Amino acid sequence: DGGITQSPKYLFRKEGQNVTLSCEQNLNHDAMYWYRQDPGQGLRLIYYSQIVNDFQKGDIAEGYSVSREKKESFPLTVTSAQKNPTAFYLCASSIDTGNTEAFFGQGTRLTVV
Amino acid sequence: SQQGEEDPQALSIQEGENATMNCSYKTSINNLQWYRQNSGRGLVHLILIRSNEREKHSGRLRVTLDTSKKSSSLLITASRAADTASYFCATDAARGQFYFGTGTSLTVIP
Repeated sequence: DGGITQSPKYLFRKEGQNVTLSCEQNLNHDAMYWYRQDPGQGLRLIYYSQIVNDFQKGDIAEGYSVSREKKESFPLTVTSAQKNPTAFYLCASSIDTGNTEAFFGQGTRLTVV
Repeated sequence: SQQGEEDPQALSIQEGENATMNCSYKTSINNLQWYRQNSGRGLVHLILIRSNEREKHSGRLRVTLDTSKKSSSLLITASRAADTASYFCATDAARGQFYFGTGTSLTVIP
C-alpha cells in the first residue's frame, strides 16, 4: 500500500531528553511537512522540505530539527530546547509544494513526563 | 502568518440536515483546500478549489470561493453521523507550504 507512515503512535519523553519522530512515505513525493497540533487547535507548521537535502523553517521551528537525506524520509527531532513539547505531531507529503493535496500520516502523540 | 480562520468553531446538527462552515484568510492565494480530521487521526483531503474557480462539487460536498472577500465555505448536504469530525481549510503560501485554519468541529447527531 502507498502512503505515509509515522512512528511511534505514542511517545513519552522525560524532560531534558531529545526524541526523534519518524516519517516515511512511499508516494514518491518531493515535498514533506511537519505540523504540531495542540488540543482543540489548528495545525502549526514546524518545518517543511521541498526536495532532498533542503528544508525550511516554518512558524514554530525553535526547539526542533529535521533532516532530509532521503526522498522517502523526513525525521523530526524534538530537542530539550523545546519548552512545551507535549502535542500531537503530524507529518504530511505532497507531490510538490502548495498546489496539490497533502497526504497525512496518522500522527505521533508526544507526552513529556 | 497566513493562517485561516474557520467559523463557527463548533457546529452541532441533526442527521439529514446540511452543515455549512466558513473559512477566511488573509493574503492572496493560488488555491484553497478543505481537509477532514477524525479525532486523534491524521487529516484527509476533501477538495481543492483554485483561485480562478468560484464553486466546486464533490459528492455531498460543495465548496465556494470568494477571492474578493478572501473567504470560502464548505457545505455538507444530507449529513450523516459518520461526518462527525473536525474540518480545516488550508491555503498555499508564497514559499509553497500549506497553512491551516483553526478548524470547525462538526457533530452530527443520529
